[in-house]
Amino acid sequence: GAVVSQHPSRVICKSGTSVKIECRSLDFQATTMFWYRQFPKQSLMLMATSNEGSKATYEQGVEKDKFLINHASLTLSTLTVTSAHPEDSSFYICSARDVKREGTYEQYFGPGTRLTVT
Amino acid sequence: GQNIDQPTEMTATEGAIVQINCTYQTSGFNGLFWYQQHAGEAPTFLSYNVLDGLEEKGRFSSFLSRSKGYSYLLLKELQMKDSASYLCAPLDSNYQLIWGAGTKLIIKP
Repeated sequence: GAVVSQHPSRVICKSGTSVKIECRSLDFQATTMFWYRQFPKQSLMLMATSNEGSKATYEQGVEKDKFLINHASLTLSTLTVTSAHPEDSSFYICSARDVKREGTYEQYFGPGTRLTVT
Repeated sequence: GQNIDQPTEMTATEGAIVQINCTYQTSGFNGLFWYQQHAGEAPTFLSYNVLDGLEEKGRFSSFLSRSKGYSYLLLKELQMKDSASYLCAPLDSNYQLIWGAGTKLIIKP
């Protein structure tokens, strides 16, 4: 149980284009999902917390107009990287909390999306 | 400020035991997670401690001392597949996970 999927797993795009990454909780409902990015050999950096039916809460220094987050249902959150640039190349990981296990605060992680901007 | 301190890298031998230490400073505390992350993959849950003491789960055990801001992950009977990064992540007062850079564990035959 508690499986989170991400799509795509890898994407290469040209500078200036937009890329959408989907995060789905497959066997549970998630009112809260998280988006992280991770550079090689560095820690996970929380970008934003996504709450179903409301606006995402962005961490300091993360441009909300560049990283658009939509959490339209209890099983789906999307991250759109708009006007991507090479410095946006990174490993993007989503995680989700099971609404029935909110008190445990455990986050279930998706497999990640490797974005390369050329 | 919030800070996580773990060794950057450790090496151990297959079949042996290794202890990975973590000290933390956070704004409030609501428990501590340990995650395993293989290269190029997302983290997977190992343990969660909210009370002081040792939690044992198979080959892996995790210890917490809240007064000392200290935790460790103990791995027994090491296997080659245990080669990975191990992330110590306390929950702060806002129930947000605070991530350190993790400890890269290298297992040698």
